[in-house]
Amino acid sequence: GAGVSQTPSNKVTEKGKYVELRCDPISGHTALYWYRQSLGQGPEFLIYFQGTGAADDSGLPNDRFFAVRPEGSVSTLKIQRTERGDSAVYLCASSFRPAEAQYFGPGTRLLVL
Amino acid sequence: QKEVEQNSGPLSVPEGAIASLNCTYSDRGSQSFFWYRQYSGKSPELIMFIYSNGDKEDGRFTAQLNKASQYVSLLIRDSQPSDSATYLCAVGSNDYKLSFGAGTTVTVRA
Repeated sequence: GAGVSQTPSNKVTEKGKYVELRCDPISGHTALYWYRQSLGQGPEFLIYFQGTGAADDSGLPNDRFFAVRPEGSVSTLKIQRTERGDSAVYLCASSFRPAEAQYFGPGTRLLVL
Repeated sequence: QKEVEQNSGPLSVPEGAIASLNCTYSDRGSQSFFWYRQYSGKSPELIMFIYSNGDKEDGRFTAQLNKASQYVSLLIRDSQPSDSATYLCAVGSNDYKLSFGAGTTVTVRA
């Protein structure tokens, strides 16, 4: 079956611009997670959705970052006023239920110039 | 102190040998443990998960968990060049978010 999909695969933007990153989880998976991975590091948790609500957004670095999942399926991570330090690979994962195995999408590589 | 620690490597093993990867974690309340494989430029791919103390085998992979020692390991038997990758240890706490180690890079020499 289809895995987690993410678009775009690459995004280059200028400092100060707004970007949206999209994630389409595995069909039937209720839990959705966003992580960020910098070079040479493991993924770092950003936010977790159970259904439509953000159950835990404690990993979001600051208020420039926001994520939604309005219908309990597709999620969008939004970054305002991008900074060069936001450059990283943004990974989305989903699981059938919380605490079960998480399956990752291919990621969006964000470069802020 | 990092929550999840792994030797960064690189770990170089000859083809056909056993590769042994180690991981320690700090949160005693952790309940779920995962190993992901990540090829360069790709996203993490789940290869094993373990929830109970002891060993769990799946093909050439064996995961070992010792909660008392806060230690989880991965053995790769009959290593192949295609096993060359970075292996990420991930620990689940509070039933959802994962904490990852920085990964161990494995190189299998043909």
